[in-house]
Amino acid sequence: NAGVTQTPKFQVLKTGQSMTLQCAQDMNHEYMSWYRQDPGMGLRLIHYSVGAGITDQGEVPNGYNVSRSTTEDFPLRLLSAAPSQTSVYFCASSYSSGSGEQFFGPGTRLTVL
Amino acid sequence: KNQVEQSPQSLIILEGKNCTLQCNYTVSPFSNLRWYKQDTGRGPVSLTIMTFSENTKSNGRYTATLDADTKQSSLHITASQLSDSASYICVVLRGHNAGNMLTFGGGTRLMVKP
Repeated sequence: NAGVTQTPKFQVLKTGQSMTLQCAQDMNHEYMSWYRQDPGMGLRLIHYSVGAGITDQGEVPNGYNVSRSTTEDFPLRLLSAAPSQTSVYFCASSYSSGSGEQFFGPGTRLTVL
Repeated sequence: KNQVEQSPQSLIILEGKNCTLQCNYTVSPFSNLRWYKQDTGRGPVSLTIMTFSENTKSNGRYTATLDADTKQSSLHITASQLSDSASYICVVLRGHNAGNMLTFGGGTRLMVKP
């Protein structure tokens, strides 16, 4: 199993550009989520999905869109990048949204100029 | 307010020494508490998960304790190795609802020196 994979690993954008961060998992997990990690702060939940076709907002959803057309993939779209979105983004998955262990991807480091 | 506070923010120890990292939380209702290890440039990896009824849990040289009454947890690392250099993150699962369910601490950055 590859686990949770994310692409790209690094990305530099200019303000106003859009892009999609890719996330895929091969563990047949129903629950997937996106977090951002900023220096000195804990990870914060952006969006999550409890299964294909179902998504919901987390703690910091503004400026981001998600969709879940398959169990395996959960892309995160930045609509119009802003410098405040400079961060490291992690995708995670788990068997359930409850007490199950979460598996994290390797992260995407995004810089918005 | 649901919060997870960790101390110290950073720690330097010599290889072979033991250390203890602290975690205090105000998350309610409590479901479980997790410790993650995050190497530089990598995603967090789970070390332990403890429920309300578990006081201690070990994973090799890592031992986590939980006091649900005082809402405190600790992670003890025995006989540290250079590979233990990483950030250690305390995470509390809140309730049983989907979304906003995990509250993350800011982490303790541990450096093990030879």
